[in-house]
Amino acid sequence: AQSVTQLGSHVSVSEGALVLLRCNYSSSVPPYLFWYVQYPNQGLQLLLKYTTGATLVKGINGFEAEFKKSETSFHLTKPSAHMSDAAEYFCAVSSYNNNDMRFGAGTRLTVKP
Amino acid sequence: ETGVTQSPTHLIKTRGQQVTLRCSSQSGHNTVSWYQQALGQGPQFIFQYYREEENGRGNFPPRFSGLQFPNYSSELNVNALELDDSALYLCASSYDKVEQYFGPGTRLTVT
Repeated sequence: AQSVTQLGSHVSVSEGALVLLRCNYSSSVPPYLFWYVQYPNQGLQLLLKYTTGATLVKGINGFEAEFKKSETSFHLTKPSAHMSDAAEYFCAVSSYNNNDMRFGAGTRLTVKP
Repeated sequence: ETGVTQSPTHLIKTRGQQVTLRCSSQSGHNTVSWYQQALGQGPQFIFQYYREEENGRGNFPPRFSGLQFPNYSSELNVNALELDDSALYLCASSYDKVEQYFGPGTRLTVT
């Protein structure tokens, strides 16, 4: 079975500061890994994904994540936070047939002016 | 290109009733997945349909059932509603099963 753990249910940063949201996964097969963002009263929007190949993945809005197999991690980073980045972020894991995607509990990002 | 749409937006039902939620896939997508997102939690996988056949199911009881139609739109049916079924229900469609596009969700309240 696959699972995801997101460390920190709430993260607060100042505008312009580094954003780091942590995600660790467990999978018995090669994982596909995803980060989604959810704004209030909306569905989920894909930020980036890792399937195979390059372990450093760049996504939308300046976010990137690095797949580290040895650490079973897929942390999300952004060099400089914007106020518009304030939202709920979800890390998710699935496998090649993607018929059972498992999400973490989410991390709420607050950006202070 | 039309994105994933869901209806209704909000719904209030009484315990014991039945409910049907609808999802229209993004154009060209043949796979639909349904998720339940309780307040303050991450989405939980309910099931997936690929070309009108169930293609995977999460840990949900049989009173959660679904359908996918020839045009790849989908329904989620929940029988004998319980208070704990109150949640945001999300539908996601994809073509290659990897990149899923989510709809805005249906907020179900069971009283």
